Amino acid sequence: TQLLEQSPQFLSIQEGENLTVYCNSSSVFSSLQWYRQEPGEGPVLLVTVVTGGEVKKLKRLTFQFGDARKDSSLHITAAQPGDTGLYLCAGGYSNYQLIWGAGTKLIIKP
Amino acid sequence: NAGVTQTPKFRVLKTGQSMTLLCAQDMNHEYMYWYRQDPGMGLRLIHYSVGEGTTAKGEVPDGYNVSRLKKQNFLLGLESAAPSQTSVYFCASNYYGTEAFFGQGTRLTVV
Repeated sequence: TQLLEQSPQFLSIQEGENLTVYCNSSSVFSSLQWYRQEPGEGPVLLVTVVTGGEVKKLKRLTFQFGDARKDSSLHITAAQPGDTGLYLCAGGYSNYQLIWGAGTKLIIKP
Repeated sequence: NAGVTQTPKFRVLKTGQSMTLLCAQDMNHEYMYWYRQDPGMGLRLIHYSVGEGTTAKGEVPDGYNVSRLKKQNFLLGLESAAPSQTSVYFCASNYYGTEAFFGQGTRLTVV
């Protein structure tokens, strides 16, 4: 059974601080997706990384895929209240299924 | 463009009752999925479909059935609801493992 472990499970910080959340597995994935989910809504894709060592930036968010394609991190610079949400990672293992982590619940306090 | 639409959004069932959740997508996606989301457990795959007329079991299929008679629709049925099926249910669709598009979810409570 493939597992994706996300850490921390919960993070509450002040506006303006930096943070990093992690997504780790013992399995190799062909791709890794990061989603953000807001209360009462379905997850929405933020980014997909496919190459080992790949780094993608989305404004203040930086995503990195590990060299061995087993882990990933999401770094947020100068967090804002609008970044609040549940961050989910999903590993692409086959062409029909995604393996999901349990998520990191992020709260940014004004 | 509606994307993925789920109905109903909320439902309360008594133990033993049955119901069907409807998912409709207008993006011509081949793959469709039903997930349940429980606190601290992420998204768990119930059933999925790789095309019209085909379905397959996911991680937690017991107590659920599905049908995909039309490409745009994926139905999830609960034959005899149990309190353990209290959850938020999400439908999603995509092309061949690419970005998954989700509906807004159905919050189901079984009492």
